[in-house]
Amino acid sequence: EAQVTQNPRYLITVTGKKLTVTCSQNMNHEYMSWYRQDPGLGLRQIYYSMNVEVTDKGDVPEGYKVSRKEKRNFPLILESPSPNQTSLYFCASSSSPGTHAGRAEAFFGQGTRLTVV
Amino acid sequence: QQQVKQSPQSLIVQKGGIPIINCAYENTAFDYFPWYQQFPGKGPALLIAIRPDVSEKKEGRFTISFNKSAKQFSLHIMDSQPGDSATYFCAASDNNNDMRFGAGTRLTVKP
Repeated sequence: EAQVTQNPRYLITVTGKKLTVTCSQNMNHEYMSWYRQDPGLGLRQIYYSMNVEVTDKGDVPEGYKVSRKEKRNFPLILESPSPNQTSLYFCASSSSPGTHAGRAEAFFGQGTRLTVV
Repeated sequence: QQQVKQSPQSLIVQKGGIPIINCAYENTAFDYFPWYQQFPGKGPALLIAIRPDVSEKKEGRFTISFNKSAKQFSLHIMDSQPGDSATYFCAASDNNNDMRFGAGTRLTVKP
């Protein structure tokens, strides 16, 4: 089954304690991205990756890091989490632009609800 | 700053009604406009999408209307059902697949 898998689904942590949220896709997609979802603000892009070893900042990258060492994995790292990073996080993947469909559908994971106290 | 502006923030309709959700954008590089549907506890899933070379696209009870000159597009849900209750996001992307989302509309369809 084609899917994007995020772990963990729920996480409560303390300020300053480094954490990693993993994301893995089994569709051989080149493009992966991370979003955070906050009430009234919708989905805001944190980082994206066009392919292995290629990452770039989205709209709200401060306080986050990512890496793309393998095509299937795109972990999100919070080196020193703060309470304002309490949010619902989604990983998404899609095939590269210029597919036969003209544009690629983004597939989302189930989300990770992070609380930083 | 939101690159895609979506309204309303929430919407309540009776079963059988036709909710309409509106979106507007500024960036003329956007050339793909999908709508995503999100149920509680789930990630967003693609519902329907349109490219700017057509003014309307219909899939089942869902229709996108697109006005290129006004840089606006909207989602209409015909004969809405309680099962359509969800959060709907409009989005826009450019040819690098860089996608920007609206703030979302929480739709409630009452029986």
